[in-house]
Amino acid sequence: EDQVTQSPEALRLQEGESSSLNCSYTVSGLRGLFWYRQDPGKGPEFLFTLYSAGEEKEKERLKATLTKKESFLHITAPKPEDSATYLCAVQAPGGYNKLIFGAGTRLAVHP
Amino acid sequence: DAMVIQNPRYQVTQFGKPVTLSCSQTLNHNVMYWYQQKSSQAPKLLFHYYDKDFNNEADTPDNFQSRRPNTSFCFLDIRSPGLGDAAMYLCATKQGAGETQYFGPGTRLLVL
Repeated sequence: EDQVTQSPEALRLQEGESSSLNCSYTVSGLRGLFWYRQDPGKGPEFLFTLYSAGEEKEKERLKATLTKKESFLHITAPKPEDSATYLCAVQAPGGYNKLIFGAGTRLAVHP
Repeated sequence: DAMVIQNPRYQVTQFGKPVTLSCSQTLNHNVMYWYQQKSSQAPKLLFHYYDKDFNNEADTPDNFQSRRPNTSFCFLDIRSPGLGDAAMYLCATKQGAGETQYFGPGTRLLVL
């Protein structure tokens, strides 16, 4: 069964304290792994798509990496405005690109 | 700016009283999705439209229906809401073979 597991469930950081979020997945034929940011009471905001092991993408303080079994979202020198829930999703095989989401990591960055 | 719009942002309904949630998009995408997200849980796909073709997930309750009268609009109808249907409902769109789904802000549904 296709599955996505994110860890930790919650993470508290001090401003400037770098860390990584993990997304482990099992899917029969990965067609893409997606990272979204979700602020409280809002819809997910697209961050990155990764397609193959070894691929990396960066945006400001965020960097996403992909291996054959997991993805990491590295946050370098985070700021309070980076506080949000970060969702990972994999695209399952099929004609309509169904996304299977993890439950997310709730990140809180304190000044 | 092109975007996905959901109305209302907050909806309160009574147990068993039908409710309709609305999604519109200015992206001209041909695929539209409805997800249900309960507190601290992953979004769960309910159904999607590829153009006019409707596709229901196997575990979506019969209580949930959808309509897509045109490319821009899609509606989620909950025929007899129960307390367990209280959740955030997210609409997303995607263009054809493109990979990325773009989400609206969501509608928070409360069932009293």
